[in-house]
Amino acid sequence: DAKTTQPPSMDCAEGRAANLPCNHSTISGNEYVYWYRQIHSQGPQYIIHGLKNNETNEMASLIITEDRKSSTLILPHATLRDTAVYYCIVSSPYSGGGADGLTFGKGTHLIIQP
Amino acid sequence: DTGVSQDPRHKITKRGQNVTFRCDPISEHNRLYWYRQTLGQGPEFLTYFQNEAQLEKSRLLSDRFSAERPKGSFSTLEIQRTEQGDSAMYLCASSLMGGSLKEQFFGPGTRLTVL
Repeated sequence: DAKTTQPPSMDCAEGRAANLPCNHSTISGNEYVYWYRQIHSQGPQYIIHGLKNNETNEMASLIITEDRKSSTLILPHATLRDTAVYYCIVSSPYSGGGADGLTFGKGTHLIIQP
Repeated sequence: DTGVSQDPRHKITKRGQNVTFRCDPISEHNRLYWYRQTLGQGPEFLTYFQNEAQLEKSRLLSDRFSAERPKGSFSTLEIQRTEQGDSAMYLCASSLMGGSLKEQFFGPGTRLTVL
């Protein structure tokens, strides 16, 4: 799986858009970008994933650059409940051995300020 | 609640004792995963099952760790002769084969403290 780089922490004001960056310069052609988050004392929660097109769901938007070497997760109107560690994961979706296990880094601790 | 459940939520044990954790996945999910998370780190993948078959176990941390999923439903993770370094959160996740293979649904975890 490709390695990702995320800032260790970020602050965002409540009600504003939170933009979380992720660098994945060694991503290969069949690897997707996945985002998970982990609220304190809970298990991780899937947010969104994409290959090369921008994606949006009820939780967030994912913007992937044209060269696919970086991406940004956008929480459009952050609330206090969005305070969590956000993990960017790059991986192939194809099965086989350990390929199905997620490789988490340290993520970005997003703190939403009231 | 039909999410992934884990039992117990907390376990305190003395060094050298054996411990066993249980995970009940979402009922229609045929894939089940175990992870370990230490303080300040992201979860670390340990092993996974597709139905009752354990397809990956090379990531298990030592031969003191073992996992089973005998009927393809719930799973257990056992740690024998626990050490203080085993203190961590143990997370279970499940997913549906044929869905997005990385969209995993996690349980709340079992926090192990080894004294």
